[in-house]
Amino acid sequence: DAGITQSPRHKVTETGTPVTLRCHQTENHRYMYWYRQDPGHGLRLIHYSYGVKDTDKGEVSDGYSVSRSKTEDFLLTLESATSSQTSVYFCAISEEQGGSEAFFGQGTRLTVV
Amino acid sequence: SQQGEEDPQALSIQEGENATMNCSYKTSINNLQWYRQNSGRGLVHLILIRSNEREKHSGRLRVTLDTSKKSSSLLITASRAADTASYFCATDRHDYKLSFGAGTTVTVRA
Repeated sequence: DAGITQSPRHKVTETGTPVTLRCHQTENHRYMYWYRQDPGHGLRLIHYSYGVKDTDKGEVSDGYSVSRSKTEDFLLTLESATSSQTSVYFCAISEEQGGSEAFFGQGTRLTVV
Repeated sequence: SQQGEEDPQALSIQEGENATMNCSYKTSINNLQWYRQNSGRGLVHLILIRSNEREKHSGRLRVTLDTSKKSSSLLITASRAADTASYFCATDRHDYKLSFGAGTTVTVRA
């Protein structure tokens, strides 16, 4: 299995609070991605990174921010959590941008109450 | 909007039968990938087919790609209980961002 770890694995938080999810990789892959998975929608890209301090928005980026200060860590922050952000969040890494397989973490189940 | 759409949404087959699922997409692509997700787990890469390829095999998996119809199919032969999972196609468009469909849920009955 690719060395990719998400933390926490489960979190319950209150509406309006900030939340940070962490993705840590040991593969030294350049590209990192955050997706959310909701029933009927498959996986939707939130943000991605193509290098340290280089990030860009995906298709559902509103309400989310990311940071990548080191190759191995990619943080996803919900500035002020809302119930619509209740979801399962997956981090993925790849060696090439889209041209090779992506390796996924185990996911973080986030519930906003 | 999502690039890939899988069909059917759900599929139930007997062990030993073949399972076929399809993926349609909207814009031109560099490659198309298929992933499997077991319940409660992350996605696992199965196979990648490039836009200049028409068919690819990996073990019991066979993937076809028809760029003129913007569609792909995944065939799992001689299915096993362990093949019970959700299967997703992901398209790598020219912006190099993987875009996933909603998936096909496959149940293999013993």
